[in-house]
Amino acid sequence: SQQGEEDPQALSIQEGENATMNCSYKTSINNLQWYRQNSGRGLVHLILIRSNEREKHSGRLRVTLDTSKKSSSLLITASRAADTASYFCATETPSGNTPLVFGKGTRLSVIA
Amino acid sequence: DSGVTQTPKHLITATGQRVTLRCSPRSGDLSVYWYQQSLDQGLQFLIHYYNGEERAKGNILERFSAQQFPDLHSELNLSSLELGDSALYFCASSVATVGATNEKLFFGSGTQLSVL
Repeated sequence: SQQGEEDPQALSIQEGENATMNCSYKTSINNLQWYRQNSGRGLVHLILIRSNEREKHSGRLRVTLDTSKKSSSLLITASRAADTASYFCATETPSGNTPLVFGKGTRLSVIA
Repeated sequence: DSGVTQTPKHLITATGQRVTLRCSPRSGDLSVYWYQQSLDQGLQFLIHYYNGEERAKGNILERFSAQQFPDLHSELNLSSLELGDSALYFCASSVATVGATNEKLFFGSGTQLSVL
């Protein structure tokens, strides 16, 4: 079953613009992670935010987490054509050693 | 390169057949996870092995089975294949020990299975 639901399903922006993707989830979590997938390739880990954190930065990425609303957002600033990919949120629940549960992803297209 | 190796990259077979997908985790990683990705279902967790033992099962069909060998590589066996089994199958690994949290996964490039 899907825990995370990304929104929007697809997003198309111009190079240089910011891209914002949202993720909502259903149950309490240990952490929420964002992954990127280039077309037909494996997923690559981008950033992990723990349940007691509200915001985290990594380069041009900014992730926020609102546990009261069970939601997270991923902001990519000054987007580049190379950022074109699908982005997935994944949640880890408090039960130890449980697998990550992924959403269906947001397809981001950055047009040069 | 994630360090996780999956073979083969592509597999085309017929309904009713059986196939084996192979995964070698990153050096030192004891946990191996299998995921299935299809357009309509997204990324679905199938099964998790830690150091040779099954730790968690997800939406894995009875026709599917997996194992992790003493050298930590893993195989996913799919039998009595149906058209709906066509998907991208990913293996991922992590350093996670039993009960560990906040671990990130390293994914292989996947095996694209086409059942005709």
